[in-house]
Amino acid sequence: GAVVSQHPSWVICKSGTSVKIECRSLDFQATTMFWYRQFPKQSLMLMATSNEGSKATYEQGVEKDKFLINHASLTLSTLTVTSAHPEDSSFYICSARKTGLAEATEAFFGQGTRLTVV
Amino acid sequence: QKEVEQNSGPLSVPEGAIASLNCTYSDRGSQSFFWYRQYSGKSPELIMSIYSNGDKEDGRFTAQLNKASQYVSLLIRDSQPSDSATYLCAVNIWQAGTALIFGKGTTLSVSS
Repeated sequence: GAVVSQHPSWVICKSGTSVKIECRSLDFQATTMFWYRQFPKQSLMLMATSNEGSKATYEQGVEKDKFLINHASLTLSTLTVTSAHPEDSSFYICSARKTGLAEATEAFFGQGTRLTVV
Repeated sequence: QKEVEQNSGPLSVPEGAIASLNCTYSDRGSQSFFWYRQYSGKSPELIMSIYSNGDKEDGRFTAQLNKASQYVSLLIRDSQPSDSATYLCAVNIWQAGTALIFGKGTTLSVSS
């Protein structure tokens, strides 16, 4: 299967600082990537859809100014958590689907990033 | 509103038994269906995908889809302790770039 690499796998930061998470599709091009957040014992909640070369589409309730998404190339999307606070501590996961296929395919997931804000 | 519903469990089965996991979805436009397995602290990994009504078998796993009733299920035969995990049902509308919508997951515990 396709490989999606996410970095870092875990990060601890101080309250008020910003954290950038990278998501790369290593062996395929991804016009669209997705960012999810998962709190303990809960399901993956879609935060935003990242579109290469255009603005991200955010889900209702997700602050676009707090969670900055940049999708500058067909293989890289970044999520920056700005002015992080303890309530932003969560497991952030990116996923991508292959570009150009007529059939809807499964999403390939990155390894996830465990963010802890202290 | 697009929703995917799963019984959160836990579902407990003895080793060697059949585990049955169920999922219902609300959007009739859903075209692709997936089962992911997630171990604690890890990202989801794909177990099965199914696109048309009926059964699809892959080793010990069988996915079943009934679009008229809007449900999809996963059967795990000869359950092993290593199958203990949370199983996430996900659906996708037939549209390029649409994210998967996940259910809350069912926790499966297989006892030896």
